Amino acid sequence: EDKVVQSPLSLVVHEGDTVTLNCSYEVTNFRSLLWYKQEKKAPTFLFMLTSSGIEKKSGRLSSILDKKELFSILNITATQTGDSAIYLCAVEANSGYALNFGKGTSLLVTP
Amino acid sequence: GAVVSQHPSWVICKSGTSVKIECRSLDFQATTMFWYRQFPKQSLMLMATSNEGSKATYEQGVEKDKFLINHASLTLSTLTVTSAHPEDSSFYICSARDGTDYYSPLHFGNGTRLTVT
Repeated sequence: EDKVVQSPLSLVVHEGDTVTLNCSYEVTNFRSLLWYKQEKKAPTFLFMLTSSGIEKKSGRLSSILDKKELFSILNITATQTGDSAIYLCAVEANSGYALNFGKGTSLLVTP
Repeated sequence: GAVVSQHPSWVICKSGTSVKIECRSLDFQATTMFWYRQFPKQSLMLMATSNEGSKATYEQGVEKDKFLINHASLTLSTLTVTSAHPEDSSFYICSARDGTDYYSPLHFGNGTRLTVT
């Protein structure tokens, strides 16, 4: 059975801190791993990772995938209160193309 | 980028009535759309895969007669919650990708918060 496990489930940091969110997975016929940010509404897309070892970067956020060890990390540097959200990791298999989501990491950045 | 529009954003209905939720891909065609449900403080759970021109594929435990899905065109899928009950109250989100781009990620609509009284 396909599985996506995120850790930690919740995290509280101070503004300016750096955080690392983890995602491990088990999936048959892996196609891609995606990170989303969810605030009050639906998830917004952050990164899509298909190859090992290639870092994707967008401003203060970055992510990397390790297909051998079956995990990914999402880094946020110099956190801001606006980064407070739930960060969802999802894995996509070749069959069906639906996403299998982890439970998410709830991040709270305090001023 | 790909935009998915979902309507309504929220709805309150009485127990026993039916509610229709629309999901549209605005700037691309989607042969497949996915419907998710999210309960408070939980992750997104796939309900069904909506296929244009054919029957939807439902996940285990999702009643197909209760959650009717119609995908009549390449840009529109609808989810109808029939004979709604309070336990159907949830956040329903649709998603789709641009099928012409192999590496296009899934994009989500803004979701519909359903409250059944």
